[in-house]
Amino acid sequence: NAGVTQTPKFQVLKTGQSMTLQCAQDMNHNSMYWYRQDPGMGLRLIYYSASEGTTDKGEVPNGYNVSRLNKREFSLRLESAAPSQTSVYFCAAAWGHRDEQYFGPGTRLTVT
Amino acid sequence: DQQVKQNSPSLSVQEGRISILNCDYTNSMFDYFLWYKKYPAEGPTFLISISSIKDKNEDGRFTVFLNKSAKHLSLHIVPSQPGDSAVYFCAASGLDNQGGKLIFGQGTELSVKP
Repeated sequence: NAGVTQTPKFQVLKTGQSMTLQCAQDMNHNSMYWYRQDPGMGLRLIYYSASEGTTDKGEVPNGYNVSRLNKREFSLRLESAAPSQTSVYFCAAAWGHRDEQYFGPGTRLTVT
Repeated sequence: DQQVKQNSPSLSVQEGRISILNCDYTNSMFDYFLWYKKYPAEGPTFLISISSIKDKNEDGRFTVFLNKSAKHLSLHIVPSQPGDSAVYFCAASGLDNQGGKLIFGQGTELSVKP
């Protein structure tokens, strides 16, 4: 079992470009999450999906969109990247909203 | 406003000694707390959790203590080992927290010196 996988591992974008970060889990978990990690800020929730077909905003959703394509996959899209979106992005999955979350290895994104 | 705070950005401890990592929270509706460990270039991994109905939970070398009246929890690692060197995040969840999502602290970087 791979657990939670994320692609790509690294990405450099120019301001205004768009891209989609992919996340997949093979644990049959219901809930999936997207976080960003910035120095001194911890992990902040961008969007989450409590179950297939539902998505909700987290703490810092502006500038992002998500799609829960099926139970396995949860993608994060930046429509028009800004330097403030330079960060490390983590996807996570959990059986339920109140259960421990399993994290992917992260995507390091730089926007110039 | 930061609902979960880890006020020490870093901590250095000698191998074999006790490491104590602290975490404070402000929301009295939080009822479930977790600690995660993160190595560089990897995702966080779950370490230990505690429900608000308990004041202590132990798992091998790791013990989490919860003081609800002080809204404070701590993670004790005894004895500390060099492999414990990592960033530790505490996280909290509550039923009023928009469906039980996790709120993370800023993290404390632990360095265990041989």
